[in-house]
Amino acid sequence: QQQVKQSPQSLIVQKGGISIINCAYENTAFDYFPWYQQFPGKGPALLIAIRPDVSEKKEGRFTISFNKSAKQFSLHIMDSQPGDSATYFCAASRGANDYKLSFGAGTTVTVRA
Amino acid sequence: DTGVSQNPRHKITKRGQNVTFRCDPISEHNRLYWYRQTLGQGPEFLTYFQNEAQLEKSRLLSDRFSAERPKGSFSTLEIQRTEQGDSAMYLCATRGLAGDNEQFFGPGTRLTVL
Repeated sequence: QQQVKQSPQSLIVQKGGISIINCAYENTAFDYFPWYQQFPGKGPALLIAIRPDVSEKKEGRFTISFNKSAKQFSLHIMDSQPGDSATYFCAASRGANDYKLSFGAGTTVTVRA
Repeated sequence: DTGVSQNPRHKITKRGQNVTFRCDPISEHNRLYWYRQTLGQGPEFLTYFQNEAQLEKSRLLSDRFSAERPKGSFSTLEIQRTEQGDSAMYLCATRGLAGDNEQFFGPGTRLTVL
């Protein structure tokens, strides 16, 4: 049973455009929501993370929006670049105990020059 | 490079053989996690250690799987009597200071069972 649902499965965006990826969760015990970026043949790398006490977090061109009441969060990639072409995973974990991550299924982003 | 290393990077084996993977964590990271990632899917939690103690095992970890972390340093994941369904990327991640949730992933070991 997948605890974090992610959409879309893939998206194509023009260089300079905005990429938006959405995730939803059910477990209200989750209190840490990271986004990971993965290139082919590599392990996931942390991109940005948020806790439920804030509604938005921005780091450079990457922004997480968080809606606690709807149990949804999203990643916005502004001014998308060809180097952003990768697979992005949302995840969630409970900070009090084990911190094990539950991942979404991933979104493959292709940025066309 | 996150500082977490995994060996081997690729392993091809025949069904029924045993395989062992190794993960070397960032030094002083007391928590170590194993995940499995199949093609087109997100990583799935397998097990984790705090120092040398294995604290949780997923239902995905059948009796053919065993993991160890002697002395709380490197960790090994062994799969006995491999099956074709075991073909996947096996990822190791480590986590450091209390209160900091970030997990640093290694490059993974790609297992192909023929």
